[in-house]
Amino acid sequence: DAKTTQPNSMESNEEEPVHLPCNHSTISGTDYIHWYRQLPSQGPEYVIHGLTSNVNNRMASLAIAEDRKSSTLILHRATLRDAAVYYCILRRTSYGKLTFGQGTILTVHP
Amino acid sequence: SAVISQKPSRDICQRGTSLTIQCQVDSQVTMMFWYRQQPGQSLTLIATANQGSEATYESGFVIDKFPISRPNLTFSTLTVSNMSPEDSSIYLCSVVMGSSGANVLTFGAGSRLTVL
Repeated sequence: DAKTTQPNSMESNEEEPVHLPCNHSTISGTDYIHWYRQLPSQGPEYVIHGLTSNVNNRMASLAIAEDRKSSTLILHRATLRDAAVYYCILRRTSYGKLTFGQGTILTVHP
Repeated sequence: SAVISQKPSRDICQRGTSLTIQCQVDSQVTMMFWYRQQPGQSLTLIATANQGSEATYESGFVIDKFPISRPNLTFSTLTVSNMSPEDSSIYLCSVVMGSSGANVLTFGAGSRLTVL
């Protein structure tokens, strides 16, 4: 599976935007970029995914570089409930499974 | 998305015993996975549970230690056999509906095992 690289940790203040980067320089043409997050004491939950174009949903936005070698998860207004570990994962059609890296620990300050 | 029920949610076990974790989904799903999350670590895939056939195990995991069953499209079990303190982890069931890379995974809340 293609590998992703994320910063170990990031900090933000409440009500401010957060940009979580992810590098995936070995991404293949069939890899979807998925983001999941894991709140304390919970299983991971889906945040957003995309293939080539930028994506928006009620939780976040996903900005994908033109060459697809990197992407950024954008939380438009961080809240204390957004404090979690955020995982950037590449998922191939034929395999189905998700391979988790270490993720980025997001701390949100009041 | 699917709703997953995992049992037990937590348990304390004695060394050398075995424990079976159940994963029940409220709808038929294409794929089911079992993950392990050791304390302070990320998730590691144990195996893909295949309906009616042997599970597909990831490197480092074997059937004798982690036997898995999946008798139908909504239910699977993971057994942690002959447990040692190193098996103390959270075990998570995950499912996906559909076979496209765009299809998202839904996770259960996990089963937290402590082995004494």
